[in-house]
Amino acid sequence: IAGITQAPTSQILAAGRRMTLRCTQDMRHNAMYWYRQDLGLGLRLIHYSNTAGTTGKGEVPDGYSVSRANTDDFPLTLASAVPSQTSVYFCASSGTGDTGELFFGEGSRLTVL
Amino acid sequence: GQNIDQPTEMTATEGAIVQINCTYQTSGFNGLFWYQQHAGEAPTFLSYNVLDGLEEKGRFSSFLSRSKGYSYLLLKELQMKDSASYLCAVKDSNYQLIWGAGTKLIIKP
Repeated sequence: IAGITQAPTSQILAAGRRMTLRCTQDMRHNAMYWYRQDLGLGLRLIHYSNTAGTTGKGEVPDGYSVSRANTDDFPLTLASAVPSQTSVYFCASSGTGDTGELFFGEGSRLTVL
Repeated sequence: GQNIDQPTEMTATEGAIVQINCTYQTSGFNGLFWYQQHAGEAPTFLSYNVLDGLEEKGRFSSFLSRSKGYSYLLLKELQMKDSASYLCAVKDSNYQLIWGAGTKLIIKP
């Protein structure tokens, strides 16, 4: 069982370049999320999608875009990367169980120079 | 604003018991979560509390007091593999998760 797969695992990127982080889940979860995690800060929500075809803005959406063409895939795009977007990015999904717990991918470590 | 507070770092001894506290101020409450995150890895779900009281799951227990805006995670019979960060998160009135910065737990032999 793969769960959630993210790619790439790690990437170094020049400022101004476009970058897409990929996220795929095989649990048929409706809700998916993108978070960034920075030292000393809690996980911060970038964008989310409650179901295929819909997306919403989280706490820190500026500079990022997402799409949800189908249930399984939820890519995150940085249109023109800046150094402040250096972070670890986690994709997550949640089902409709009692707790609505999140299942996380392994993360994508992005460095923008 | 919404806020989750937990200690930055704690140290405990192998075999002992440790309690990690979490206090929260959020707009509404729809459940509190604890996640474990080993260094360089993804967070994994530990526990969920929505009603007051203690939830026990093996060596780990989680307590909630909604009136006090307070929770704790209790880890018993500590093992070296319990060295990790422990994240507290609250689901607010909009069912959005608000995350604490995490508590790094260091276990010493």
